[in-house]
Amino acid sequence: NAGVTQTPKFRVLKTGQSMTLLCAQDMNHEYMYWYRQDPGMGLRLIHYSVGEGTTAKGEVPDGYNVSRLKKQNFLLGLESAAPSQTSVYFCASSYTGDYGYTFGSGTRLTVV
Amino acid sequence: GQQLNQSPQSMFIQEGEDVSMNCTSSSIFNTWLWYKQDPGEGPVLLIALYKAGELTSNGRLTAQFGITRKDSFLNISASIPSDVGIYFCAGFDTGRRALTFGSGTRLQVQP
Repeated sequence: NAGVTQTPKFRVLKTGQSMTLLCAQDMNHEYMYWYRQDPGMGLRLIHYSVGEGTTAKGEVPDGYNVSRLKKQNFLLGLESAAPSQTSVYFCASSYTGDYGYTFGSGTRLTVV
Repeated sequence: GQQLNQSPQSMFIQEGEDVSMNCTSSSIFNTWLWYKQDPGEGPVLLIALYKAGELTSNGRLTAQFGITRKDSFLNISASIPSDVGIYFCAGFDTGRRALTFGSGTRLQVQP
């Protein structure tokens, strides 16, 4: 019963480095989402996907790119990391997109 | 964009006390949800509300969907130490088909 799996769980990057966060779900969900969580600000939507091959911008998309080449995977990329991208990143998926999601356990990213 | 104002930001209570927290929005939502986040984990759904005026319970939790569709509250009765965590309200944005989250209420329970 894996649900939503995020890798890696922790990462430290230097300013300017690039990396990709992977989200994998085994529930055949159509909808997938990337959120970032910062203290006192709740979760803010970065990008989302309503199906394989589709992506869309959320509330805070700048500095990030995403891809959904396979239905079960949703990748979040940082091309040139900045300290402002230090955060905890959560992936979520949903079957219908209109009620509660299943969240992964998060990736804690620090950019120094 | 849409914003949810959640209050209080934090609460420190004694075990056995009841707790109430609420969420207000400048926009209408057709679905309100409440999540709990334990340390080091992702949020987990507690209660979902689909109709204005709806009152729903899940064990010691009770949540209501405001009549105006711009607010919701969550009550926890007879709190226990495992209630510790961050509670988030969320409204479903039908345009994006995505959730907008409040800033969270951090709950601490003194045994």
